[in-house]
Amino acid sequence: AQRVTQPEKLLSVFKGAPVELKCNYSYSGSPELFWYVQYSRQRLQLLLRHISRESIKGFTADLNKGETSFHLKKPFAQEEDSAMYYCAGQGGSEKLVFGKGTKLTVNP
Amino acid sequence: ETGVTQSPTHLIKTRGQQVTLRCSSQSGHNTVSWYQQALGQGPQFIFQYYREEENGRGNFPPRFSGLQFPNYSSELNVNALELDDSALYLCASSLQGAGNEKLFFGSGTQLSVL
Repeated sequence: AQRVTQPEKLLSVFKGAPVELKCNYSYSGSPELFWYVQYSRQRLQLLLRHISRESIKGFTADLNKGETSFHLKKPFAQEEDSAMYYCAGQGGSEKLVFGKGTKLTVNP
Repeated sequence: ETGVTQSPTHLIKTRGQQVTLRCSSQSGHNTVSWYQQALGQGPQFIFQYYREEENGRGNFPPRFSGLQFPNYSSELNVNALELDDSALYLCASSLQGAGNEKLFFGSGTQLSVL
């Protein structure tokens, strides 16, 4: 069963515009949610995780249990934010499951 | 501190053959996870190894098997290759018991099955 859903395959914004990458999950209980990022010609790497409640490179993500969402947001997008973004989740004894990814393009 | 390394980087096989992919985990890590990433898709969990034993498996047939060695390096073996096995295979290491699943990924092995 699909645990993590990213509804947008592609997202394009202009530099300086706000950006929101959507992620919905279908875990019960208290899952752990993550955002991973893959910049061009680089390996997949952790961007942030909900338990840390941190802001990395200006990005934040809040776990909304009512809406079962974990959207990634940044108020002012930069060109270097262009990358593939993957939402991932882990619940119970299951291992980390990834969404299909959203390709973000930030235009100058 | 060395990162996760995978070999080979690219591989071409024909249908029915067998393949072995290798992964060296990041220094200090004791857990290795393998993922398959088809073109345009997110990584799909194959299995995880911890202390040389399988510690979780995704929805993959038994012809996908693995090993973890005492130095925590790992192999992914695929028997009777099928065309649909063509994908990027990612290895990720982590530290079990650290309280989270922060994975450190390798660059992957691109497998093409003809």
